[in-house]
Amino acid sequence: QLQLQQSGPGLVKPSETLSLTCTVSGGSIISESHYWGWVRQSPGKGLEWVGSSSYGGSTYYNPSLKSRVAISVDTSKNQFSLRVRSLTAADTAVYFCARHGMTSATYYFDHWGQGSLVTVSS
Amino acid sequence: SYVLTQPPSVSVAPGQTARITCGGDDIGYKSVHWYQEKPGQAPMLVIYDDNEWPSGIPERFSGSNSGNTATLTINRVEAGDEADYYCQVWDSVGDHPVFGGGTKLTVL
Repeated sequence: QLQLQQSGPGLVKPSETLSLTCTVSGGSIISESHYWGWVRQSPGKGLEWVGSSSYGGSTYYNPSLKSRVAISVDTSKNQFSLRVRSLTAADTAVYFCARHGMTSATYYFDHWGQGSLVTVSS
Repeated sequence: SYVLTQPPSVSVAPGQTARITCGGDDIGYKSVHWYQEKPGQAPMLVIYDDNEWPSGIPERFSGSNSGNTATLTINRVEAGDEADYYCQVWDSVGDHPVFGGGTKLTVL
């Protein structure tokens, strides 16, 4: 059973950088059929896709966040990571890591991490 | 960017049928996926590719998609179905996934 376990700090100061890691167990991150992505949810709001990466490092990001976001994959550790820089209070959210397919018909998020509440505050 | 529109809330009595809609321009030509999110939990996929069930999802959940509206139908609603539900598609123009705003299902 594939599981995604998130880790990272819950409190980050404005203007600093958020770093979260998602460790994949029960399967390999090396998949020709899947991307590894991040979705966030601001308090009381809906789901917002942040960005995704293939195991080989092919990345794409939400246009509204693209200039501040980076996703990387470490196949040796079966992990992928999210970095969001220049944080503001608007980045306060629960961040989820998740796996999804690569085609329009398979582009659904079938496995999710537990979520990490990140608060941006001084 | 492609926009998906969901009603903010739907209420239904136990044992009845709940229908949650997801509107989008020619959404019938897209594959629609649905998620259930309960408080403090990660979203869970309940329907993919319009009307397919992931493993472990009861057949009380079903989906349909035509024209400008996709619909998630929950038959014989139970108290445990109370949650927020989100639809999601792939925006082929923007080349990224898009979520609807979510619908809160209340079981009366």
